[in-house]
Amino acid sequence: DADVTQTPRNRITKTGKRIMLECSQTKGHDRMYWYRQDPGLGLRLIYYSFDVKDINKGEISDGYSVSRQAQAKFSLSLESAIPNQTALYFCATSDRGASGEAEQFFGPGTRLTVL
Amino acid sequence: KNEVEQSPQNLTAQEGEFITINCSYSVGISALHWLQQHPGGGIVSLFMLSSGKKKHGRLIATINIQEKHSSLHITASHPRDSAVYICAVKEVRGAQKLVFGQGTRLTINP
Repeated sequence: DADVTQTPRNRITKTGKRIMLECSQTKGHDRMYWYRQDPGLGLRLIYYSFDVKDINKGEISDGYSVSRQAQAKFSLSLESAIPNQTALYFCATSDRGASGEAEQFFGPGTRLTVL
Repeated sequence: KNEVEQSPQNLTAQEGEFITINCSYSVGISALHWLQQHPGGGIVSLFMLSSGKKKHGRLIATINIQEKHSSLHITASHPRDSAVYICAVKEVRGAQKLVFGQGTRLTINP
C-alpha cells in the first residue's frame, strides 16, 4: 500500500462549488504539506503543518483552507472554486530530520478541473 | 529572476549517454533536493544534500555551496529515466518552505 494517499485522484467541478481534497499517510511523519503544480511553473506551497496543532500559510494560500484532523490526515479545501484553481495538487510528508530538514514523500496527486 | 534556475529546460539523448542537469540558486540554503516526476505525474525524492556528493545506483548528485550550484548526473541512461527532474532548495532564512525550479524534461530514446 502507498505510504501517502490522496483522494480523489481526479475531480471535475463547477465554479463556486466547495471542494475538499484529502491526504492520508502511514509514514508516521509529523510534517505535511499541500502544493499545487501548474504547467510551466514549479511546485508552489499552499499550506503546511508541522504537527496537529500547527498550521501555516504557504506562498499561495488565498482561496484555500486546511484542516489537520490527526497526525496522519491533512485536508485541503477550496471554499468556492474558481477556474484558475485548475491544477495538479500534491500532498507531501516529511520527518523533522536531524538538522531540521528531511526528504519529502509525495502523494500521487489530484488533478482538479474547475469549469 | 527565479531563485532556482534549472538548465536545460528540455534534454533529449540516446540510450547509454551520460546526462547532466544543472541547478543554480541565488539564496543561502540549508539543503537542496532533487526530485523525479514520472510521466504519470508521481513525484519521487531522489536526493537531499547540503554538501559534497551523493550516489544512488546510476544517479549522482553534487553540490557546490560556494558557487550556489548543483548537478544531477545519470550514467548509462535508459528510456525509463525519461521524466521531469526538479531541483528544490530550502532557504537558510525565511519561511519553512522549499523553493522549486521549473524542472528539466529528459527524454531518452532507445
